[in-house]
Amino acid sequence: KQEVTQIPAALSVPEGENLVLNCSFTDSAIYNLQWFRQDPGKGLTSLLLIQSSQREQTSGRLNASLDKSSGRSTLYIAASQPGDSATYLCAVRPGAAGNKLTFGGGTRVLVKP
Amino acid sequence: ETGVTQSPTHLIKTRGQQVTLRCSSQSGHNTVSWYQQALGQGPQFIFQYYREEENGRGNFPPRFSGLQFPNYSSELNVNALELDDSALYLCASSSPDRESRGYTFGSGTRLTVV
Repeated sequence: KQEVTQIPAALSVPEGENLVLNCSFTDSAIYNLQWFRQDPGKGLTSLLLIQSSQREQTSGRLNASLDKSSGRSTLYIAASQPGDSATYLCAVRPGAAGNKLTFGGGTRVLVKP
Repeated sequence: ETGVTQSPTHLIKTRGQQVTLRCSSQSGHNTVSWYQQALGQGPQFIFQYYREEENGRGNFPPRFSGLQFPNYSSELNVNALELDDSALYLCASSSPDRESRGYTFGSGTRLTVV
């Protein structure tokens, strides 16, 4: 059974500092991994998707890496801003025939001005 | 492309009642999944529909049921509501032809059972 863990559950950083968010999963047989952002009481906004054959994906200030063999992914957010304050969730999808996402519990981020 | 839309945004129901939540998938997507997110937790998979057939189910009792329509929109029905059913219900759509883009989520329906 796939289990996804995100540590820490919450962190607070001053504006301008780089953010490093961690995601670990127990079964390395994944199809892809997706990072989402969730604002309080809202739905999920997709940030980055990494296929199992990829090592990283980048979009603007965001960079996500994937080490499938060790069951880890890291989301880097450069030069954090107060608007980056949100909960960040990672989710893994099993092999191509798999049809559900398994989510971590999320990391709640507060960027202080 | 139009995104995933869910209705209603909020509702309050009494324990024992039944509720129907609705979801319109993103244009071009033929697969719809439903997730339950309790406060402070990650979403949990309920079930998925592909071309009007259920093709995957999580660890939820039979009182959670669903439908997908020919236009790929979907409903989630919950019977005999319990207090623990209070949560944010999220709908996500995807397409086997666009797997590289992953899943697109709606804004959710906040259900409160009193």
